[in-house]
Amino acid sequence: TQLLEQSPQFLSIQEGENLTVYCNSSSVFSSLQWYRQEPGEGPVLLVTVVTGGEVKKLKRLTFQFGDARKDSSLHITAAQPGDTGLYLCAGARNSGYALNFGKGTSLLVTP
Amino acid sequence: GAVVSQHPSWVICKSGTSVKIECRSLDFQATTMFWYRQFPKQSLMLMATSNEGSKATYEQGVEKDKFLINHASLTLSTLTVTSAHPEDSSFYICSASVGNGYGYTFGSGTRLTVV
Repeated sequence: TQLLEQSPQFLSIQEGENLTVYCNSSSVFSSLQWYRQEPGEGPVLLVTVVTGGEVKKLKRLTFQFGDARKDSSLHITAAQPGDTGLYLCAGARNSGYALNFGKGTSLLVTP
Repeated sequence: GAVVSQHPSWVICKSGTSVKIECRSLDFQATTMFWYRQFPKQSLMLMATSNEGSKATYEQGVEKDKFLINHASLTLSTLTVTSAHPEDSSFYICSASVGNGYGYTFGSGTRLTVV
C-alpha cells in the first residue's frame, strides 16, 4: 500500500531553474524523511522532519513539513546537473517502525 | 555512524536456484531490520520486517515461503530467495533503524538477475 503520494514522478529541467516536489498523505506521520538515490545504490538521507510546520534548509534545498504532519515538500533553487537523481520521500508512523516510501521523483537537470 | 553492510552487491543465478543476501550491522546492534525490493525506475516497496530471534512480519502479497528471512543475531539478517524465477529479478535493499529516534541506515543494495 502506497501511503505517500509523491509528485511529479518525472521532471526534466534546465540548469538554473527552480523546482518543487510534493509528498502528500491522508495519514499522519511521526516523521518524514527525504532521500536521494543514485542508480544501483541504496538511498542516502537528505533530511528528517518531525515537527509540524518545520522548515529545514540544506544549501539550495528547502524542506517543509506540513502543520498536520501529513505532507511535505522539497524545493530546489537554481538546480544544477549534479542534482540529477531519484528523490524519495518516506514516512514512519512511529520511531523504529518501517519507512513507507513515496513513488519517487526522477529529476533530470540538463546543462 | 551506523553502517549496514549488504552482500553481495550483485548476483546472477539460474531459474530454480536459491540466492541468499546478507545484511550486517557493523557498529551497532540491529534489533529490527527491514527488507525492500525496488524495480527499475520505481520506488522501494517494503517486503518484510525482520526482528531478531522471532519470525519476520511480511507485507501483504509477499510470499513468506519464497522469501525466507532469518535474523538469528543482532548483527545479521539474511534474505533467501528460493526457487528464483526471472520475475524475481530486482534490486533488494535492507535497512535498520538506529537509536531511539528516527534514524535509519540502508545497505548498498543487491542487484539480483535470474536467467
